[in-house]
Amino acid sequence: DGGITQSPKYLFRKEGQNVTLSCEQNLNHDAMYWYRQDPGQGLRLIYYSQIVNDFQKGDIAEGYSVSREKKESFPLTVTSAQKNPTAFYLCATRPTRGVYGYTFGSGTRLTVV
Amino acid sequence: AQSVTQPDIHITVSEGASLELRCNYSYGATPYLFWYVQSPGQGLQLLLKYFSGDTLVQGIKGFEAEFKRSQSSFNLRKPSVHWSDAAEYFCAVGALNRDDKIIFGKGTRLHILP
Repeated sequence: DGGITQSPKYLFRKEGQNVTLSCEQNLNHDAMYWYRQDPGQGLRLIYYSQIVNDFQKGDIAEGYSVSREKKESFPLTVTSAQKNPTAFYLCATRPTRGVYGYTFGSGTRLTVV
Repeated sequence: AQSVTQPDIHITVSEGASLELRCNYSYGATPYLFWYVQSPGQGLQLLLKYFSGDTLVQGIKGFEAEFKRSQSSFNLRKPSVHWSDAAEYFCAVGALNRDDKIIFGKGTRLHILP
């Protein structure tokens, strides 16, 4: 089945640690997105990539980094500079042609301990 | 500024009753519009989308939405809700160009009374 795999589903981070969230897709979609979701705040865009080896900052990129070395993969690193990283993180993809909505992964819940 | 407003944070309806979730948007270009549903701890699933043509669009799970350009609205409806419809619903708007991003509303949480 084609889809998006986010791993791990749950992740715990100690203060001062960097952690990397994985997002892999086999939909052959060009564009990939990372969103952060907090209760009552909807979805906020962290980073997005329209093509391999290129990505742009979203609305809340501070404290995060990404890479896009392969079309299928768009990992998100939450660095120690992100002061409030506890949240639900969603990866999404979309073809860059035509009228399509996003396809979402099932999310990773990150908790700082 | 581009924005999506879902005025109701929470809505409670009885099982079997009809449902309407409101969505208003502000967008400079010709928009295309979406409704997504999210169950707790899960990703978002696309219910339906509108780009052009018939302003009443049908989606999955018995949902429909009506685009009203004069009111900048795209309200979601269902004639009879089921307990399994309890979830959070997001309205979203985007435009048809390569660099566009889809903008999401803050969501409406639907509660179903037995």
